[in-house]
Amino acid sequence: QQPVQSPQAVILREGEDAVINCSSSKALYSVHWYRQKHGEAPVFLMILLKGGEQKGHDKISASFNEKKQQSSLYLTASQLSYSGTYFCGTGSTNDYKLSFGAGTTVTVRA
Amino acid sequence: DGGITQSPKYLFRKEGQNVTLSCEQNLNHDAMYWYRQDPGQGLRLIYYSQIVNDFQKGDIAEGYSVSREKKESFPLTVTSAQKNPTAFYLCASSIVAQGGLAEAFFGQGTRLTVV
Repeated sequence: QQPVQSPQAVILREGEDAVINCSSSKALYSVHWYRQKHGEAPVFLMILLKGGEQKGHDKISASFNEKKQQSSLYLTASQLSYSGTYFCGTGSTNDYKLSFGAGTTVTVRA
Repeated sequence: DGGITQSPKYLFRKEGQNVTLSCEQNLNHDAMYWYRQDPGQGLRLIYYSQIVNDFQKGDIAEGYSVSREKKESFPLTVTSAQKNPTAFYLCASSIVAQGGLAEAFFGQGTRLTVV
């Protein structure tokens, strides 16, 4: 079952912040975040494996609330290069299944 | 260079025909995946495999079949039973690190069009 992402789309001006949410109806073991530019393959951003874990990459960070079965991706001081579609992927505890959400399209304008 | 290769990049099929999409990786990854991407629906999991000669249905397996005879290869067959096969198909692979799945690497995709 696919995780649910929100919002579906967001438009930002350079320097603005945004939050993308990901939730699952099933217990989560891991949350994966990827970004896909138009016409390209998705590219890995980060994985969160423990409840409460937070990670960051440049000014993109994420948190994982295992109890709430949710994760959030934070885009801080957005840059034009942050434009793309962001996907969260969820992993289960007992096999290698990796399901992705419908994606959030981020457009950053100058 | 290590990576994951999908072929062909574009594929046209007549209705009622089966077609096989190729996916090869030289990363020595155990896990491999097939996803279908349609506008507004994200990446939907078709099949995945954890080990040679073993694979599991994903969320939308109907009308598709796979095989995993070699660790590096995971071909996907789109059968005539798939009612709406026109889509962009992505293959991915991942290593299983301590604590769970690690980063997944994606191929460049195959765009299948039924004519």
